[in-house]
Amino acid sequence: GALVYQYPRRTICKSGTSMRMECQAVGFQATSVAWYRQSPQKTFELIALSTVNSAIKYEQNFTQEKFPISHPNLSFSSMTVLNAYLEDRGLYLCGARWTGGEQYFGPGTRLTVL
Amino acid sequence: AQSVTQPDARVTVSEGASLQLRCKYSSSVTPYLFWYVQYPRQGLQLLLKYYSGDPVVQGVNGFEAEFSKSNSSFHLRKASVHWSDSAVYFCAVSMNTGNYKYVFGAGTRLKVIA
Repeated sequence: GALVYQYPRRTICKSGTSMRMECQAVGFQATSVAWYRQSPQKTFELIALSTVNSAIKYEQNFTQEKFPISHPNLSFSSMTVLNAYLEDRGLYLCGARWTGGEQYFGPGTRLTVL
Repeated sequence: AQSVTQPDARVTVSEGASLQLRCKYSSSVTPYLFWYVQYPRQGLQLLLKYYSGDPVVQGVNGFEAEFSKSNSSFHLRKASVHWSDSAVYFCAVSMNTGNYKYVFGAGTRLKVIA
């Protein structure tokens, strides 16, 4: 079946430092990967959508300079939170799908910023 | 632009009682519709989805949802809740063309009491 893994599941970083998280699709080719953030007590916001052979599209309030994303092949994507501060804490979800298919979500990476 | 409204931030029901969680959406065309559940400190689990056809869709753990085009709604129901159903429930929509990004509602926190 189709599965999406995320690493690490939990991480803590000091304020002002950076943190990289990974997303791996197993059992299908992830032609499109979306990264979402759930801030404490809030819903899920789309950060950016990465589609193979297309430019990564960032949503309003999110930038490549802050959340650079790599999608080098059809099974892997990574996102870095640069210069993390308190407002960046939350659960980061990766959603991967193949062309014409539905989106599968990973379990998330929970980021704590000290 | 699409939007999702879950009008009830918190719902409390007694164990064994029936449940309805409301979801209304705004979209220029009929989107794909989803209900997800988030248990404490975890990611998202898909309960059910609607793409087309029969407006009543069955999901896992006895959940079902009914799509109403006239009301732009996709309410979630369960005939008899269990204490383990206590969680946060998210309604989401996705376009069936274009970038397929998901838009989530604010979530409804369900508490099942004895």
